[in-house]
Amino acid sequence: DAGITQSPRHKVTETGTPVTLRCHQTENHRYMYWYRQDPGHGLRLIHYSYGVKDTDKGEVSDGYSVSRSKTEDFLLTLESATSSQTSVYFCAIREQGANYGYTFGSGTRLTVV
Amino acid sequence: QQQVKQSPQSLIVQKGGIPIINCAYENTAFDYFPWYQQFPGKGPALLIAIRPDVSEKKEGRFTISFNKSAKQFSLHIMDSQPGDSATYFCAASISLAGGGNKLTFGTGTQLKVEL
Repeated sequence: DAGITQSPRHKVTETGTPVTLRCHQTENHRYMYWYRQDPGHGLRLIHYSYGVKDTDKGEVSDGYSVSRSKTEDFLLTLESATSSQTSVYFCAIREQGANYGYTFGSGTRLTVV
Repeated sequence: QQQVKQSPQSLIVQKGGIPIINCAYENTAFDYFPWYQQFPGKGPALLIAIRPDVSEKKEGRFTISFNKSAKQFSLHIMDSQPGDSATYFCAASISLAGGGNKLTFGTGTQLKVEL
């Protein structure tokens, strides 16, 4: 099973503050993804990465930025958190050779007050 | 705009029943269709997947039926058990230049299997 760790697991922050969520993997997978999960919307892609320093936008990227300076770490930053960004955030990696075999982390529950 | 439409939003069945979850898509560039199962407090986990050139795939009690002409696919759970109570997501994969892919998910179906 791919080792994928998200931190923190829970966070409460104030509107307007910057927030960074971390995704760490232990198996050198090339592709990493950030999704947010909201009731009635399922999982929506925020950003993804296809290698160190190689990232691209997903369908709900406004207000978010990402960085990948090492293969194992993919960071998601909310530059100035808003209440609409209250959500559960999931990181995923794509298993080698598997077009659909994403492995998800356990999620970060973020509340913006 | 939801590229993958999933129904129903919630479903309650009796133990041993066969819940059916349906999904529809528009984009013919989608080339893989996985289903994910999610338990409370956990991330989604891959359950079963199908290619568009196959009409049916079975893995244990889980079956995907795929209708390419109608752009629809569905998940059937045979002999459902209380342990199958979870949220189920359909998804569709699109390939990216350079060899990767990205998944677009449906909105999810909350299944409850009662004794």
